[in-house]
Amino acid sequence: DQQVKQNSPSLSVQEGRISILNCDYTNSMFDYFLWYKKYPAEGPTFLISISSIKDKNEDGRFTVFLNKSAKHLSLHIVPSQPGDSAVYFCAASAGDWPGANNLFFGTGTRLTVIP
Amino acid sequence: DGGITQSPKYLFRKEGQNVTLSCEQNLNHDAMYWYRQDPGQGLRLIYYSQIVNDFQKGDIAEGYSVSREKKESFPLTVTSAQKNPTAFYLCASSDGSGQPQHFGDGTRLSIL
Repeated sequence: DQQVKQNSPSLSVQEGRISILNCDYTNSMFDYFLWYKKYPAEGPTFLISISSIKDKNEDGRFTVFLNKSAKHLSLHIVPSQPGDSAVYFCAASAGDWPGANNLFFGTGTRLTVIP
Repeated sequence: DGGITQSPKYLFRKEGQNVTLSCEQNLNHDAMYWYRQDPGQGLRLIYYSQIVNDFQKGDIAEGYSVSREKKESFPLTVTSAQKNPTAFYLCASSDGSGQPQHFGDGTRLSIL
């Protein structure tokens, strides 16, 4: 059973606009949520994380929002740039820190930023 | 330059053969992980190791084996018992300082 879900397999956005990637989860025991970015034939690269005790975390152009009651999180990229085009994976873990224990991954959303 | 090295990048196997995927890290991380990615799916955990000489099964361990004799190395063997071995395999590591898992660039395994 998929504990982390990304229901949109793809998203296209114009350069300079906002990209919003969504993720839903089912396990209320998750302590951390992470976003990874992946280019073809490469491993995922960590982007940003959020603790379950927070509702927002911001790092430059990237902001992650967490709605625990809805078991939903989203990644906002503003402004979107062509170099942001990649597959974005949402992941969750139950542990004392973001890298603790195994990660549960969504199926990914392919973001295309159109110049 | 610290990181995780997976080799080879592409690997071909004949049916009925075992094959071992290499994963080496020089980040001094205690924990290491193996994930599998299939087309259109997320990463799924195969095995993980929190410390040398100890490892645990993940969600899809059947048909795989691992060893952790050294802190730096966590090789994964895909055995002939694994019925659908064709996939992209990713190795990751993490430490205990609050950092997220770092990933290698993966090995793509194909059956001839």
